[in-house]
Amino acid sequence: NAGVTQTPKFQVLKTGQSMTLQCAQDMNHEYMSWYRQDPGMGLRLIHYSVGAGITDQGEVPNGYNVSRSTTEDFPLRLLSAAPSQTSVYFCASRDSGANTDTQYFGPGTRLTVL
Amino acid sequence: AQKVTQAQTEISVVEKEDVTLDCVYETRDTTYYLFWYKQPPSGELVFLIRRNSFDEQNEISGRYSWNFQKSTSSFNFTITASQVVDSAVYFCASVSGGYNKLIFGAGTRLAVHP
Repeated sequence: NAGVTQTPKFQVLKTGQSMTLQCAQDMNHEYMSWYRQDPGMGLRLIHYSVGAGITDQGEVPNGYNVSRSTTEDFPLRLLSAAPSQTSVYFCASRDSGANTDTQYFGPGTRLTVL
Repeated sequence: AQKVTQAQTEISVVEKEDVTLDCVYETRDTTYYLFWYKQPPSGELVFLIRRNSFDEQNEISGRYSWNFQKSTSSFNFTITASQVVDSAVYFCASVSGGYNKLIFGAGTRLAVHP
């Protein structure tokens, strides 16, 4: 099992550019989430999905779009990048079973918006 | 509302010292889960422990131990005989209600010096 994978590892964008951060998991997990990590603020939830075709907003959703067409993939789209979106982005997944509620994180994508 | 507070921003110790990382949580739910994650300098998030609200037993895993006290809404983490490899940022987190919404504290940066 590769677990949760994210691409790219690093990305530099100019203000106004768009891009998609990729996230995939091979554990057949129902739940997937995107978080951003900023200094001194821990991780904050951007969007999450409880299964294919179902997504919802987290704590800081503005400026980001998601979709979930398959169980494996949960891409995060930045429509028009802003310097405030400079951050480290983590994707996570977990099973939906009651006793398996631990989220497992990908390695992260470090995004810089100039 | 759910909230996790890690009041210690940075802790510096010398190798072999014991160190306790504090975590205070707030939630209105009776069923909730608490977590600790480690983020070493390489940047990935490593799951350490999960606790549910009905299990107040303390847990020990090697040099790591956790003290969960509902009376003080605390879930503290102690490293005994710290080692340089313990140097990392440690996050406490909680989830309740909206099951996919993991709420993180701001993290505690632990530096263990030889």
